[in-house]
Amino acid sequence: AQSVAQPEDQVNVAEGNPLTVKCTYSVSGNPYLFWYVQYPNRGLQFLLKYITGDNLVKGSYGFEAEFNKSQTSFHLKKPSALVSDSALYFCAVRDYRADKLSFGAGTTVTVRA
Amino acid sequence: GAGVSQSPSNKVTEKGKDVELRCDPISGHTALYWYRQSLGQGLEFLIYFQGNSAPDKSGLPSDRFSAERTGGSVSTLTIQRTQQEDSAVYLCASSLERAHEQYFGPGTRLTVT
Repeated sequence: AQSVAQPEDQVNVAEGNPLTVKCTYSVSGNPYLFWYVQYPNRGLQFLLKYITGDNLVKGSYGFEAEFNKSQTSFHLKKPSALVSDSALYFCAVRDYRADKLSFGAGTTVTVRA
Repeated sequence: GAGVSQSPSNKVTEKGKDVELRCDPISGHTALYWYRQSLGQGLEFLIYFQGNSAPDKSGLPSDRFSAERTGGSVSTLTIQRTQQEDSAVYLCASSLERAHEQYFGPGTRLTVT
């Protein structure tokens, strides 16, 4: 079985401050981990992924995420948030042997000017 | 290049009617997925196609739901005898292979009255 938890429904930060969106996962084998962003009335956009290799993964729009195997976490980070980063963020995981992704419930990020 | 496209973008139907939702994946992508996103909830996996293999239908919520993929490209999701609880945004995604990130279409918003 595989699952994802995003413990925060909402994250509020001021523009220019660091942004962190938390994600923890559970899989029986090696995880493939993904972050997606959804802007209002739009489909999901791929941000970044971890398959193997360096634990720090860099993605689109200045986002990065750190894979921590011991804590089974894959938190999304951005050093300096922009108002335009306000959106719904989804973490997703699948076991390397599985075909389908399991998504978290999503975290709404609001960046205030 | 062209992304994943879905049609219609919006569909309003009466309870009990059948609906068909269409997905055109990115050219060359062998994997195709359908998800459902209900208001305030995360993404629910529905069905997965990979090449000529038998589809993974494990996420379909009832036998009123079916999907096919013709010629390894276009896919149609059919919902028979629609119910109000079927109201949601139906998202389609495709990927090069199952190991790769999925690219999502804009979705079809289905409203059952």
